[in-house]
Amino acid sequence: AQSVSQHNHHVILSEAASLELGCNYSYGGTVNLFWYVQYPGQHLQLLLKYFSGDPLVKGIKGFEAEFIKSKFSFNLRKPSVQWSDTAEYFCAVSSTGNQFYFGTGTSLTVIP
Amino acid sequence: GAGVSQSPRYKVAKRGQDVALRCDPISGHVSLFWYQQALGQGPEFLTYFQNEAQLDKSGLPSDRFFAERPEGSVSTLKIQRTQQEDSAVYLCASSLFGRDRDLGKPQHFGDGTRLSIL
Repeated sequence: AQSVSQHNHHVILSEAASLELGCNYSYGGTVNLFWYVQYPGQHLQLLLKYFSGDPLVKGIKGFEAEFIKSKFSFNLRKPSVQWSDTAEYFCAVSSTGNQFYFGTGTSLTVIP
Repeated sequence: GAGVSQSPRYKVAKRGQDVALRCDPISGHVSLFWYQQALGQGPEFLTYFQNEAQLDKSGLPSDRFFAERPEGSVSTLKIQRTQQEDSAVYLCASSLFGRDRDLGKPQHFGDGTRLSIL
């Protein structure tokens, strides 16, 4: 089975600060990579996804992520966070069989 | 709305009782997934349906857990003789295609059912 590691469990930033959340996975074959966000009281929503092609993926709300195959990483970035970005962020990986493996999540708090 | 709908939103049961959790996927979605999310953890895969066929149940933690999707749309997750360790949020997700097409297509999640076992 695959494992997905999110090393930052809790992140606190001031508005306009830059964000980078780490995600590493264990599978060596072809993978599909996702970042989901869960705002307080809401369901999981897709932020961005990587299937193939350009390893730098741009998603909604100014987020982007870079797939670095050699490092088994798919870190999430945003140059300038807003208070409304306060949420739980989950990295997910799938390979075969449509089974998704999620990380444990990173809680982001943005201070106005 | 047109999203994934789960009911009930909250369920409290006494240890030993049976519970049934319902999921209404997005209309026309072939794939349906159940996940268990414990406090402070990410969602963990339980089972997968493609239409009415349960193709993967490798994540079900014990034989007390049973899932069905008899007509290929609504799904029910049943937990028999509940235990305290079953307390978690149970998430349902659906995606448009089956696993033979576009592996890893994004999944659309419901709000979940928060199950508390006393």
